[in-house]
Amino acid sequence: DQQVKQNSPSLSVQEGRISILNCDYTNSMFDYFLWYKKYPAEGPTFLISISSIKDKNEDGRFTVFLNKSAKHLSLHIVPSQPGDSAVYFCAASGVPHRGGSQGNLIFGKGTKLSVKP
Amino acid sequence: GAGVSQSPSNKVTEKGKDVELRCDPISGHTALYWYRQSLGQGLEFLIYFQGNSAPDKSGLPSDRFSAERTGGSVSTLTIQRTQQEDSAVYLCASTKVGAADTQYFGPGTRLTVL
Repeated sequence: DQQVKQNSPSLSVQEGRISILNCDYTNSMFDYFLWYKKYPAEGPTFLISISSIKDKNEDGRFTVFLNKSAKHLSLHIVPSQPGDSAVYFCAASGVPHRGGSQGNLIFGKGTKLSVKP
Repeated sequence: GAGVSQSPSNKVTEKGKDVELRCDPISGHTALYWYRQSLGQGLEFLIYFQGNSAPDKSGLPSDRFSAERTGGSVSTLTIQRTQQEDSAVYLCASTKVGAADTQYFGPGTRLTVL
């Protein structure tokens, strides 16, 4: 039973255009959402996050939108660059955890983004 | 180095053998996580260490899996009597105090069980 879903396994975009990666979640207890980017043979690297008290967070070319009522978030990359080609993972946290920390992240299966020159 | 390191980067073993995977977190990070990523899947939580508290082992798939963290730093994930379904990339992450959700990942160990 997947709590975080990325329904598009892959996405291909032309350089300079917008990339939109989508993520849906089922657990209304989640209150913090993150996007990670992963290149082959490397660990995921943190990209951008958003708290459930916000509906938008922007960092340079990257913007994350959160729609709590729809339990949906999206990552927009504009303009897309060939170096953005990677697998993007959506992750969520907030399930009560021993020790007071928000603990482990729940990840989606990832979307492979290809940005073509 | 400043990042999380893991060793070995690749491990090939025969079914039934035991393996140990190592993680060196970022210095000063109090929390350490193990995840695994099977082919075509997302990252699956395995175990979580926070300071001197008892670890959260709720993600370990079977009693063949165990982990320890010595001195609040280095961690070892041990898989006993490996099975082919254990083949995956095992990732370690650490977080600094006050930023529990920004996890910094190591490059992973690719385990192949023949």
